[in-house]
Amino acid sequence: ETGVTQTPRHLVMGMTNKKSLKCEQHLGHNAMYWYKQSAKKPLELMFVYSLEERVENNSVPSRFSPECPNSSHLFLHLHTLQPEDSALYLCASSQEPGAYTQYFGPGTRLTVL
Amino acid sequence: QQQVKQSPQSLIVQKGGISIINCAYENTAFDYFPWYQQFPGKGPALLIAIRPDVSEKKEGRFTISFNKSAKQFSLHIMDSQPGDSATYFCAASSTGGFKTIFGAGTRLFVKA
Repeated sequence: ETGVTQTPRHLVMGMTNKKSLKCEQHLGHNAMYWYKQSAKKPLELMFVYSLEERVENNSVPSRFSPECPNSSHLFLHLHTLQPEDSALYLCASSQEPGAYTQYFGPGTRLTVL
Repeated sequence: QQQVKQSPQSLIVQKGGISIINCAYENTAFDYFPWYQQFPGKGPALLIAIRPDVSEKKEGRFTISFNKSAKQFSLHIMDSQPGDSATYFCAASSTGGFKTIFGAGTRLFVKA
């Protein structure tokens, strides 16, 4: 499998649930990203990892917890979310962080009830 | 200073026409300006990108025009086709930085 894959593609969860989003990149890249895409807002950068080290945390609430066990995998752990957290969560990777093309996965459509 | 302002929000063009989307930035440290195309149910995908050492880059029907002094860049889609109907995002980033700043997006609809 090539490119950037994300699972699950759709997720419905209650406000008290704990769930995790998974991202995997097969491109040999060193940087990985989480973005939030809402209906009426630009792409919001959440986290940036470079060689498994978090280099950017864009004022994201602590109910979102990222994990990068290696340069190919990225997780976003979710707990006690709010309905306004419902959005499309996109994972991306690039050769290095910064001025490089980002390759996006298809996203996980999250609905918080 | 980190913003990228994109216009218009939405655009309707006749088949065969020219679609033009504009972006403006403020941070002079930006040195990479990509455009991404996103279809419903998919993640954004790189369409074309430019670095500030050139004023124009063309790939097929897609052209980026770049004006460094005005801190503006635009995407031109020539001979627009219904298959081009998608949301387009401009973006900007800098060498050595970690962030890519995205514009708000333009929803393009090409009428057959």
